[in-house]
Amino acid sequence: NAGVMQNPRHLVRRRGQEARLRCSPMKGHSHVYWYRQLPEEGLKFMVYLQKENIIDESGMPKERFSAEFPKEGPSILRIQQVVRGDSAAYFCASSPGVGMNTEAFFGQGTRLTVV
Amino acid sequence: AQKITQTQPGMFVQEKEAVTLDCTYDTSDQSYGLFWYKQPSSGEMIFLIYQGSYDEQNATEGRYSLNFQKARKSANLVISASQLGDSAMYFCAMREFPSEGGSEKLVFGKGMKLTVNP
Repeated sequence: NAGVMQNPRHLVRRRGQEARLRCSPMKGHSHVYWYRQLPEEGLKFMVYLQKENIIDESGMPKERFSAEFPKEGPSILRIQQVVRGDSAAYFCASSPGVGMNTEAFFGQGTRLTVV
Repeated sequence: AQKITQTQPGMFVQEKEAVTLDCTYDTSDQSYGLFWYKQPSSGEMIFLIYQGSYDEQNATEGRYSLNFQKARKSANLVISASQLGDSAMYFCAMREFPSEGGSEKLVFGKGMKLTVNP
């Protein structure tokens, strides 16, 4: 049973380009969370999605960032017109549902570097 | 207001000794879950232990135990018999179940760095 798969592991983009980060949740998991980790900091919540629905996007910047989790295929975090401040590690987590003791399983992250 | 507070920026411990990592939380909900994750230098997030707000017993998982003091809103992680491989960042997190609004996302503290010395 494969874990949460994120790709690419490392992504380099020039300022102004688009970054697309992919997350395939664990088999049977329908809940996906995206987090951003700046250097030397904790994980900041960005968005929580279920299949075809955005449940909570309170942590997403209002501009340039979007996320989707289609019926088929991975969840995508898209960052348009990247800036240097977008350089960070982006983690995806999945869970099978909701519940107090429902653990979130994390992928290995995508390290985005904007040059 | 910060939901999860980890005040220790870094700690050093001798191999084979026990160490306690502090975590306090803030919530007005009755139902919530508390988690600890480990992040080694390789970067992945590794789940360690979970404690539910209604659990009467402190959670234990191998060398990890959670010292849950509900009235004080603290959920400290205790690592017994430290090993060199325990050197990593440690994050405390909480999952709330708000009765009105919000979602049951995990909220993380800023983490703390543990270094185990030989």
